[in-house]
Amino acid sequence: ETGVTQTPRHLVMGMTNKKSLKCEQHLGHNAMYWYKQSAKKPLELMFVYNFKEQTENNSVPSRFSPECPNSSHLFLHLHTLQPEDSALYLCASSEVGGGYNEQFFGPGTRLTVL
Amino acid sequence: KQEVTQIPAALSVPEGENLVLNCSFTDSAIYNLQWFRQDPGKGLTSLLLIQSSQREQTSGRLNASLDKSSGRSTLYIAASQPGDSATYLCAVESGGYQKVTFGTGTKLQVIP
Repeated sequence: ETGVTQTPRHLVMGMTNKKSLKCEQHLGHNAMYWYKQSAKKPLELMFVYNFKEQTENNSVPSRFSPECPNSSHLFLHLHTLQPEDSALYLCASSEVGGGYNEQFFGPGTRLTVL
Repeated sequence: KQEVTQIPAALSVPEGENLVLNCSFTDSAIYNLQWFRQDPGKGLTSLLLIQSSQREQTSGRLNASLDKSSGRSTLYIAASQPGDSATYLCAVESGGYQKVTFGTGTKLQVIP
């Protein structure tokens, strides 16, 4: 595996389900990110982790719960979602430090909430 | 609050044409600006990153420029090809390290 991988690629869930999205980066980076991409809207930054520590929570509802067990893995736990949460969820990673914060993205998970 | 705008929202050009995509931002105190392309239903591919101290970056047929004082960046694509068809996004890091704001993108179609 190379780059940033995400599983599953597609997910359909009911409003009462609990599911998790997984992201893994194979680039040796020290920061990971979750973004949400909805139709007709710009990408929205959700969470930032540096060296496994959460450094940014962009006013995300508590029904989204991130977890970063180490610098290579990032999860997004989902529970009691709403239909408006349907979107493409993108994971990214970067090497922070030195002011050169180039982000690399995974292919995304297409989430549909029924 | 940083706002990033990309104009036009969509662009259709014949193959071989040189073209310019625009990105403007409201807060000029940025750390860097990054250009991406996104193919339908896919993730983002990094094209170029310009640090705040730089004026331009080049990669192959792509050239990105940055004018912080006017809050603008342009992505120049030379000799466009059908494979360049995608949505191009710019993203600005500002207002705190790792706070990234994206534009809504320009959807490019290159007609053979």
